[in-house]
Amino acid sequence: GAGVSQSPSNKVTEKGKDVELRCDPISGHTALYWYRQSLGQGLEFLIYFQGNSAPDKSGLPSDRFSAERTGGSVSTLTIQRTQQEDSAVYLCASSLRGTGQGGNEQFFGPGTRLTVL
Amino acid sequence: GDSVTQMEGPVTLSEEAFLTINCTYTATGYPSLFWYVQYPGEGLQLLLKATKADDKGSNKGFEATYRKETTSFHLEKGSVQVSDSAVYFCALSSAGSARQLTFGSGTQLTVLP
Repeated sequence: GAGVSQSPSNKVTEKGKDVELRCDPISGHTALYWYRQSLGQGLEFLIYFQGNSAPDKSGLPSDRFSAERTGGSVSTLTIQRTQQEDSAVYLCASSLRGTGQGGNEQFFGPGTRLTVL
Repeated sequence: GDSVTQMEGPVTLSEEAFLTINCTYTATGYPSLFWYVQYPGEGLQLLLKATKADDKGSNKGFEATYRKETTSFHLEKGSVQVSDSAVYFCALSSAGSARQLTFGSGTQLTVLP
């Protein structure tokens, strides 16, 4: 079956511009996660959605970052007024269940490589 | 907070050599532990996992045992292949609080023929 998909695969933007990154999770997965993979910071958690509950935004690095998940499926990560330090690979993952489910596997998408010039 | 400390890389081995990549963790409660692998040009894939103490996760010849007493989850393989060349990430999911994965810094493995 289809895995997690992300678009675009690559995005080059100029400093100060806004960008939107999209994630399509595996059908039926109720939990969705965004992570960032950068050279200096490794893999960092950004935000988590579980069903219709309020998202866990504890990993977002600044108020320039926001995300939404429409209809419990597709998610969009928005970065406003991009900075050079935002350059990274943004990974999306989904899992069948989230909270309280130990060992629940997260399936990762291929990522979006963002370059801010 | 939760954290994962992973053996620094890069690691270079000859084919058929024995592999160990060390991983230790700090977490509240009883976390689930994972090894993820990222092959060149590909996304992260789950390699193996263990959800409670003394569990052994295994896959593709790789093994890791959840050691609560030493808070460790070292990855081992008896005989590596060139195709095992990848970046390996140790991770935990803390059942007591956060739902997200906390990752180690990753270890680059290169296996030479």
